[in-house]
Amino acid sequence: GENVEQHPSTLSVQEGDSAVIKCTYSDSASNYFPWYKQELGKRPQLIIDIRSNVGEKKDQRIAVTLNKTAKHFSLHITETQPEDSAVYFCAASKGTYKYIFGTGTRLKVLA
Amino acid sequence: DAGVIQSPRHEVTEMGQEVTLRCKPISGHDYLFWYRQTMMRGLELLIYFNNNVPIDDSGMPEDRFSAKMPNASFSTLKIQPSEPRDSAVYFCASSSGTISYNEQFFGPGTRLTVL
Repeated sequence: GENVEQHPSTLSVQEGDSAVIKCTYSDSASNYFPWYKQELGKRPQLIIDIRSNVGEKKDQRIAVTLNKTAKHFSLHITETQPEDSAVYFCAASKGTYKYIFGTGTRLKVLA
Repeated sequence: DAGVIQSPRHEVTEMGQEVTLRCKPISGHDYLFWYRQTMMRGLELLIYFNNNVPIDDSGMPEDRFSAKMPNASFSTLKIQPSEPRDSAVYFCASSSGTISYNEQFFGPGTRLTVL
């Protein structure tokens, strides 16, 4: 069935360093890949997304890359700050508006 | 717009009781999703609606769970009877293919505790 694997499950980085979170999806028909950030006790919120016709997308300190052949996509956060500490979820969708979420990565940015 | 609204924000009940969670999607959104979040299982899609019609309920754990969307501005998720293993945060989300391609907007969630 449809599946999204996400790694690592936890990630600790020093403030100012970069963080990378990786996801792999199983359904080659997937064409939309959002990333959500969930702070403690809060709702998930979209931070960046990418469609299958694009290989990379940047928004200030965050970027997402997509490799359709390998069915991999990754989130890159540069110059990490304490407020980046949260749980990050990747997801894959094939245009049916139904998301398959990854299991989440708990990112801790150490000051 | 106030965003997706959920009520109650917290619910504590005893095993065997009926629980009803409520959701008001963003006005104009035609998709509505119910998710359950636990530490063990992460974010699970339970059911989603398009134009008030259930499209996929394959994630509903068992017959104790039911969901309805009587109109475009209201949906309920009901658990009857509730069990301790139903304790989780339940999120409602809505989206629109025409207004904001695929992005799902989540509500604040309902934290359910079944004793």
